[in-house]
Amino acid sequence: GQNIDQPTEMTATEGAIVQINCTYQTSGFNGLFWYQQHAGEAPTFLSYNVLDGLEEKGRFSSFLSRSKGYSYLLLKELQMKDSASYLCAVRDSNYQLIWGAGTKLIIKP
Amino acid sequence: TAGITQAPTSQILAAGRSMTLRCTQDMRHNAMYWYRQDLGLGLRLIHYSNTAGTTGKGEVPDGYSVSRANTDDFPLTLASAVPSQTSVYFCASSDGGGAADTQYFGPGTRLTVL
Repeated sequence: GQNIDQPTEMTATEGAIVQINCTYQTSGFNGLFWYQQHAGEAPTFLSYNVLDGLEEKGRFSSFLSRSKGYSYLLLKELQMKDSASYLCAVRDSNYQLIWGAGTKLIIKP
Repeated sequence: TAGITQAPTSQILAAGRSMTLRCTQDMRHNAMYWYRQDLGLGLRLIHYSNTAGTTGKGEVPDGYSVSRANTDDFPLTLASAVPSQTSVYFCASSDGGGAADTQYFGPGTRLTVL
């Protein structure tokens, strides 16, 4: 079967750095997405990786290793507004998105 | 632009009743999707449409039906609601082109079936 694993919850301190991991086992791979979802709101797109390596976008970076079935989202200079759930999703061989359950990130002052 | 709108925002429904969740996008996207989101689970695809006039079944289609009469609208119907359909429902849309195709989500409908 297809599986996306993420930690259920993480806690970090304002101003610090946090890394949210995602491991996947899917039938085929056509890219990996990270979305942010604030409580009670819709998911919003953060990043897309299809090749190995690091993609940087301001305070957020996303890394992919296809051989290891592994990705992480790195958040720097954490702000209180970064408190949200972070969803990892993989596009499989049928071009469908397979979603992880999400990681709830709690930022403490 | 509004992007994607969904209605209603929330609803309490008696078991056995029918209901249609509405979804409209103004981005002229080809593809549209319906997901449900339950605590502790990832988003699960119910139905999708790659283009107007076509629909397909996702991971959890039972008890739901959709139609795609035009590009903008993609309603989801529950013919006879059951308590297990209590969930938050998200509609999404995308251009529908290629692996990097990004989905954009509506604000969601919170449905409770009693």
